[in-house]
Amino acid sequence: DARVTQTPRHKVTEMGQEVTMRCQPILGHNTVFWYRQTMMQGLELLAYFRNRAPLDDSGMPKDRFSAEMPDATLATLKIQPSEPRDSAVYFCASGSRVGGNTEAFFGQGTRLTVV
Amino acid sequence: GNSVTQMEGPVTLSEEAFLTINCTYTATGYPSLFWYVQYPGEGLQLLLKATKADDKGSNKGFEATYRKETTSFHLEKGSVQVSDSAVYFCALRPNSGNTPLVFGKGTRLSVIA
Repeated sequence: DARVTQTPRHKVTEMGQEVTMRCQPILGHNTVFWYRQTMMQGLELLAYFRNRAPLDDSGMPKDRFSAEMPDATLATLKIQPSEPRDSAVYFCASGSRVGGNTEAFFGQGTRLTVV
Repeated sequence: GNSVTQMEGPVTLSEEAFLTINCTYTATGYPSLFWYVQYPGEGLQLLLKATKADDKGSNKGFEATYRKETTSFHLEKGSVQVSDSAVYFCALRPNSGNTPLVFGKGTRLSVIA
């Protein structure tokens, strides 16, 4: 059963610490998205990659957030330094247009709490 | 630009009631349209989709029809169950390239026995 895997599922950290969230997209998917979900803002697109190249990261605060795809099986989202306002659920999703499919498949998310 | 507007929640219904969650969109060209569902503590799951005008997506008793003339994709279910309690998101994806989904703000549905 192919699925997007995110780790960790939960993370509690102190303000100022570095946080790294990881995502394993579905094998064969060439596009990876990072979304952030909060009660106030709903789902916000942070960044996305196609064939491991960043296409749009305009949704990310550049001074503290960074997203990379070291290889086709791993995407990372890093926050350094973290702040309480970064507390949210971060979702990774992957997709591919092969076969006419247009949907994105979501992981279960990483719930981040910054205290 | 592309945007999705869906009805504000929360929506509270009794079991076996009829459900409608309205969704309208603004897009250039001919987007694909989706409904995703998020159960408590989980990620988003695709519920149904439609890729062209007049297509009807259906799954688990839910239906939505792609109406180009009214730019709408309303979600309906004839008889809801307690297990349908979740947050429902309407979304679109422009039909060019592998561009991101654009989501509505979500509608929380609570079904009471």
